[in-house]
Amino acid sequence: EDKVVQSPLSLVVHEGDTVTLNCSYEVTNFRSLLWYKQEKKAPTFLFMLTSSGIEKKSGRLSSILDKKELSSILNITATQTGDSAIYLCAENLGNEKLTFGTGTRLTIIP
Amino acid sequence: GAGVSQSPSNKVTEKGKDVELRCDPISGHTALYWYRQSLGQGLEFLIYFQGNSAPDKSGLPSDRFSAERTGGSVSTLTIQRTQQEDSAVYLCASSLERHGYTFGSGTRLTVV
Repeated sequence: EDKVVQSPLSLVVHEGDTVTLNCSYEVTNFRSLLWYKQEKKAPTFLFMLTSSGIEKKSGRLSSILDKKELSSILNITATQTGDSAIYLCAENLGNEKLTFGTGTRLTIIP
Repeated sequence: GAGVSQSPSNKVTEKGKDVELRCDPISGHTALYWYRQSLGQGLEFLIYFQGNSAPDKSGLPSDRFSAERTGGSVSTLTIQRTQQEDSAVYLCASSLERHGYTFGSGTRLTVV
């Protein structure tokens, strides 16, 4: 069974810092990799990445996939307290089921 | 509705009782998924419905778990004879094929 591994498990930084979250995946029938932000219960969609390697950006957040390294990073610049959340990475193997990592818990200290 | 609606938002039940969790997906979304998230864990796939196809039940942890989707819309996840290890947040999501999921706010189930 494919595994999605996220690191670090938790991260505490000061407001204004830049953070990089990591996600590695195994490929069998890889189709895409997705990032979600989970603040309370409902994960909200951030990015979908494919093996095209195109970087995705939204405001202070950006993400890119490295298909050689089978990994993806999520960058957040100039962090704010509202960025505190669990960030989930998930792999889509093309059968419409997502396999999730355990997430990175990010805490931003004011 | 505008989003995926789940009910109840919280449920406390006694060990051994049956529970039903409801999910109302976004209108027109053909796919519906149930996931479970235990404390400190990632999301664990349970079951997937796609249109009129037979559901993918490969993630259901035991035969105490079942789900149905009536009329291609609302889904109910049923857990029979609940155990303490069933305590978790149960998340439902819906999607149009090959598009990203939209998650509901989940049901936090506590078995005491």
